[in-house]
Amino acid sequence: GENVEQHPSTLSVQEGDSAVIKCTYSDSASNYFPWYKQELGKRPQLIIDIRSNVGEKKDQRIAVTLNKTAKHFSLHITETQPEDSAVYFCAASVMNRDDKIIFGKGTRLHILP
Amino acid sequence: NAGVTQTPKFRVLKTGQSMTLLCAQDMNHEYMYWYRQDPGMGLRLIHYSVGEGTTAKGEVPDGYNVSRLKKQNFLLGLESAAPSQTSVYFCATLGGVPSSGELFFGEGSRLTVL
Repeated sequence: GENVEQHPSTLSVQEGDSAVIKCTYSDSASNYFPWYKQELGKRPQLIIDIRSNVGEKKDQRIAVTLNKTAKHFSLHITETQPEDSAVYFCAASVMNRDDKIIFGKGTRLHILP
Repeated sequence: NAGVTQTPKFRVLKTGQSMTLLCAQDMNHEYMYWYRQDPGMGLRLIHYSVGEGTTAKGEVPDGYNVSRLKKQNFLLGLESAAPSQTSVYFCATLGGVPSSGELFFGEGSRLTVL
C-alpha cells in the first residue's frame, strides 16, 4: 500500500524567511497530493493541493511542487508570519480508485520572532 | 449546517471496556474516514467507507470495527479497549465523484484507556 514519508519533523525559521517541507510517496498510481495545516487543538484543514497532471501550484504565499518521476512533492511557504506556526501534513491518494488518503507524520513549524 | 460532528468528544475507558464513536455528517458526502492521531505519528487511517453499506480497512484496522448503515453516519467501535488505543480520533468526509479531494474533519474525540 501507499507509504508517505515527510521531512523534517520539526522546522524553525525566522519570521519573514521561507520554509520548505518535503514528502515522498511510494505508489506510482497516486494522483492527488493535498497539504493540511493543523493549529494547536484544532482539526486539520486543507491549505493547498495538487493533482498529478500539474507540476506546480501557487496560492499567495504558499506553493506546492510535484515531481512525479521522483515521487516527491514539497510545500513552500514564503514570507513566513507568526500565524504560520502549526503542524503541516502532506498526503497522497489515488483518487477515483480507492480514495484511500494516506498522510505523512507531520512537520511542526515554528516561526521565530 | 453542522458539517461533521463527532460524539463523544472526550471519553475515559478501562482496559477491556467497549465503546462506539459516532460520526455524523450533513454534507451528503459519499466517503467517510476514521483516523487516529498520536504524537509523532501523524494521522493514520483506521477504516473508511466509500458509500452506505460499505467499509474497507485502512493502515491500522486491528482492534476496531466500523459500520455505515446510513449515509450520514459512520460508527467506530472498540470491542475490548487497550491502552494502545489511547489517542485522538478524527472522522472526515470527502465529496463523491467528481470530488474536490478535500477532506472535511470533525473536531476530534479524545479517548483515554486506563
